[in-house]
Amino acid sequence: AQSVTQLDSQVPVFEEAPVELRCNYSSSVSVYLFWYVQYPNQGLQLLLKYLSGSTLVKGINGFEAEFNKSQTSFHLRKPSVHISDTAEYFCAVSDSNYQLIWGAGTKLIIKP
Amino acid sequence: ETGVTQTPRHLVMGMTNKKSLKCEQHLGHNAMYWYKQSAKKPLELMFVYSLEERVENNSVPSRFSPECPNSSHLFLHLHTLQPEDSALYLCASSQDFSTEAFFGQGTRLTVV
Repeated sequence: AQSVTQLDSQVPVFEEAPVELRCNYSSSVSVYLFWYVQYPNQGLQLLLKYLSGSTLVKGINGFEAEFNKSQTSFHLRKPSVHISDTAEYFCAVSDSNYQLIWGAGTKLIIKP
Repeated sequence: ETGVTQTPRHLVMGMTNKKSLKCEQHLGHNAMYWYKQSAKKPLELMFVYSLEERVENNSVPSRFSPECPNSSHLFLHLHTLQPEDSALYLCASSQDFSTEAFFGQGTRLTVV
């Protein structure tokens, strides 16, 4: 069965500093990859997705992620974070069985 | 506005009560989902509907009963719940199983 590992349960970072949120998945077949963001008291919102093509994917709010097939990773990055980026970030993988497999989430904590 | 609306946003119910959660999407999507989000756990997929037919039921207790009367509406009927059922219940929809899901804001359920 597929699994998704988000290595950090929370990541504290200073405002305007860069950040990387890590995501690894276990799969030997083609997958679709997603990052979602959940702001406090809200549902989940799609940040970006990888279906095929370029391995560097750009999303909303200045985030990007790189698909690395050999390392089965899909890490999320932003060069300069803002207070408004405080949220929980979820990585998810979908395969031909359609079910989204979710990571446990990473809380991004922005320090002023 | 995400296109997926859930009501109510908050619900407190006793263990002997019967209540229903409602989800509505105006995106013309064919698939709808119920998820359970508990603290410090990955998102749990509960039910999947495609074109109003249930295609997935992830070993959810029978005290949760879904209903999909048409492609725009999804209900989750609740009865004789337990305190451990307290969680955020998220509804989502997607065009099909290979595309991203759009989430509602969730219903925060507390069972007392």
